[in-house]
Formats: sequence, structure tokens, C-alpha cells
Amino acid sequence: NAGVTQTPKFRVLKTGQSMTLLCAQDMNHEYMYWYRQDPGMGLRLIHYSVGEGTTAKGEVPDGYNVSRLKKQNFLLGLESAAPSQTSVYFCASSYPQGRNNYGYTFGSGTRLTVV
Amino acid sequence: GIQVEQSPPDLILQEGANSTLRCNFSDSVNNLQWFHQNPWGQLINLFYIPSGTKQNGRLSATTVATERYSLLYISSSQTTDSGVYFCAVSKGGYNKLIFGAGTRLAVHP
Repeated sequence: NAGVTQTPKFRVLKTGQSMTLLCAQDMNHEYMYWYRQDPGMGLRLIHYSVGEGTTAKGEVPDGYNVSRLKKQNFLLGLESAAPSQTSVYFCASSYPQGRNNYGYTFGSGTRLTVV
Repeated sequence: GIQVEQSPPDLILQEGANSTLRCNFSDSVNNLQWFHQNPWGQLINLFYIPSGTKQNGRLSATTVATERYSLLYISSSQTTDSGVYFCAVSKGGYNKLIFGAGTRLAVHP
């Protein structure tokens, strides 16, 4: 049982390049999320998905796109990377509300540097 | 939106000491969780505690929802407790968490 797996773990991009971060979960969670963590701060929500084929904006969505074609996968795309997107990106998944424990589980993170 | 404030921002302990971390939030919530981010960056879910008290080994947590605060207690601290402790809350649906800035804990032998 791997939980939440993120790839890649590290990446360096040049300004203007594009890339896709991959997230996969094997816990059959309905909800999935992408957060970013900047130095000295807590995590901030970028986008989230409440089911296959659905996505919605979070607190800081600008410059990112997402897709959830399969229940177990949630992809985060950067179309034209900017230095302000240098951050650590975390994927997470959970059960819907109504469960006693939402089972919120995070991946190990992707450290992205844009130069 | 909801504001989440954690205190203290930094805490240094000797191994074996006890500590209390506080989380204040500005509105009613239906989900409150405590996470530990270890020195390698991994986030571990410690407690789901929108109200009441829970205990897990040397850690316990209490949330007083009517007064909008939560406390995380660490007893007999160990060096492996070092890292950053985050409080996160959500209001409404979809478990969209709002995080505090965290308490950075260093436990020295």
C-alpha cells in the first residue's frame, strides 16, 4: 500500500518551460488536492478535485492547470513556468466529509525550482 | 476567509520536556487536523479533532470549538519529535484545508 505517490521528486525548469507533476493514490479516495508550500509558510491550496472528471480552483490557482481523468490520478500542469512558482508541491487525498476520519494523506512532495 | 494562527512560532526543548502548541482560528469549522512535517519534509496526519480530546501515545490534542482554539500536547519529548507542527482547518465541504504558519520544534538530546 503506497498511499500517495508523487513524481518527480525534484525538478529544475527554465522560465517559460512547461511541465506536469503526477500524483497517484491507491486508497480509493474520492477527493484529491494540490498544495504549494513556500519557505516559512503553511500550505496553500492550488486546485482540488472531488471526483473523476471534476476539478475546481483553490486559493492560488493562477498559472496552473489540473486534470483528473482517472480516480486514482491527479495531474498538475505548469504551462509557462515563472520564478514565482519555485516551491514545494504536495499532493493529498481524502475521503469525503461524513467519514469519522477523513484519512487525509499527503505525498512526499516535489521540489521545483524555476530559474 | 478563515484565519489560522499558531503559537509559538518556534520552540526549543531538551529531550524529556513537555510542551503545548496552540492553534486559534477565526470562524467555526467542521474539520480541524494536526500534522507533523518531519525534517525530510514528509507530512504526517496526527489528529482529526474538530472538537473534544484525543490521545495517541505521548501526543494528545484538545479542541474547544466554541472558543475557536485547539491545543497539541507533547509529553516526554524525543529528538524524533523535531520538525514543524501544522494546524489546518476547513469550513464547508470538500475538506479544503487552510493551514497555519506552523510551530517549528527542535528537541535537543
